[in-house]
Amino acid sequence: QSALTQPASVSGSPGQSITISCTGTSSDVGSYNLVSWYQQHPGKAPKLIIYEVSRRPSGVSNRFSGSKSGNTASLTISGLQAEDEADYYCCSYAGTNTYVFGTGTKVTVL
Amino acid sequence: EVQLLESGGGLVQPGGSLRLSCAASGFTFSTYVMNWVRQAPGKGLEWVSGISNDGGSTYYADSVKGRYTISRDNSKNTLYLQMNSLRAEDTALYYCAKVSLRYFEYWGQGTLVTVSS
Repeated sequence: QSALTQPASVSGSPGQSITISCTGTSSDVGSYNLVSWYQQHPGKAPKLIIYEVSRRPSGVSNRFSGSKSGNTASLTISGLQAEDEADYYCCSYAGTNTYVFGTGTKVTVL
Repeated sequence: EVQLLESGGGLVQPGGSLRLSCAASGFTFSTYVMNWVRQAPGKGLEWVSGISNDGGSTYYADSVKGRYTISRDNSKNTLYLQMNSLRAEDTALYYCAKVSLRYFEYWGQGTLVTVSS
């Protein structure tokens, strides 16, 4: 299983919107609506922010939204805030109870 | 409140073995799939292994298959990862994670495994 491809870094100014892409294959992202996204601040454990492509867990800001088209999923952060500066990882179910993570994206708030 | 507390990490020589534990609380452990995910220093997340709620089915990444064994003791609310034939590339922070449907709902804080001579 090869890692899903994400841009290494994305940046934006406070209040702006940014989008992080996550490209897989027809065996993972393209086959299942089971893409999740995780936010990880330095020295902390990952935190679930999106599941099943576009669903938000209770307590997660509605500034985070997800979508998918074909083999590519996307995470959009609107109204960018300083606290959003973190690493973001996508993850896709890949069948037979296996998973594949993305390469990770560092989000910088300018 | 869901809590996952990993332990058992440490320094081990190449070829050595280590057993990680993850003590769970705050939910009905025996009804959930559990997984291990690792993160090498400064690197991204890598799925390692998963186990069904009753322990009857186990799953592994190709990178650890044949060397790692996942297990659980539902009477003790504890998840385990037995790691044998360790390599330098296994050096990582190992997280246990509670799985809901097909996503990692809760994560522990991780336990660090360092493989070095």
